Amino acid sequence: DQQVKQNSPSLSVQEGRISILNCDYTNSMFDYFLWYKKYPAEGPTFLISISSIKDKNEDGRFTVFLNKSAKHLSLHIVPSQPGDSAVYFCAGDSNYQLIWGAGTKLIIKP
Amino acid sequence: DTGVSQDPRHKITKRGQNVTFRCDPISEHNRLYWYRQTLGQGPEFLTYFQNEAQLEKSRLLSDRFSAERPKGSFSTLEIQRTEQGDSAMYLCASSLVRGFYNEQFFGPGTRLTVL
Repeated sequence: DQQVKQNSPSLSVQEGRISILNCDYTNSMFDYFLWYKKYPAEGPTFLISISSIKDKNEDGRFTVFLNKSAKHLSLHIVPSQPGDSAVYFCAGDSNYQLIWGAGTKLIIKP
Repeated sequence: DTGVSQDPRHKITKRGQNVTFRCDPISEHNRLYWYRQTLGQGPEFLTYFQNEAQLEKSRLLSDRFSAERPKGSFSTLEIQRTEQGDSAMYLCASSLVRGFYNEQFFGPGTRLTVL
């Protein structure tokens, strides 16, 4: 069973506009949710996280929103920049392991 | 450089051979994780260590896979009698657990190709 789902395999956004990446989960026991960014031939890099008791966390151009009733979280990037082009993974933290979505490839168009 | 390092970066082997990968975590981190990632998927948890103790293994980890972290520092992942289905990116991560928060830092991965 897929506990964390990212239903959009790819997303294309104009430079300077807002990018919104979505993630749904089924496991109510996650303590934290994390977003990672991955470039080709590199390991994932931590981007931002949110505690399950919060509904928003902001860090510069990145904001993560958590809707616990809908079991949905989203990552907003504004303004989008060319260097943001990468694959973005959301993951739920279940104590000792991260449960990952399949990723969304974000393409920022100049 | 104080990040997570993995060696080798790429490994091509023939079916039936044994392979071993090494991971050097960030030095003060007490947890070390192994994940496997195939194309178009997110990483899948394989196993993790708290210091030198292996605390959890995924059901994905068959008996052909074994991992060690002998002195609580670097770790090795060995795959015996490799199969074509073992072809994947093997990722190592480490973390310093503080309370509930567990940010994991990843290495660049070892890409395994089994012919």
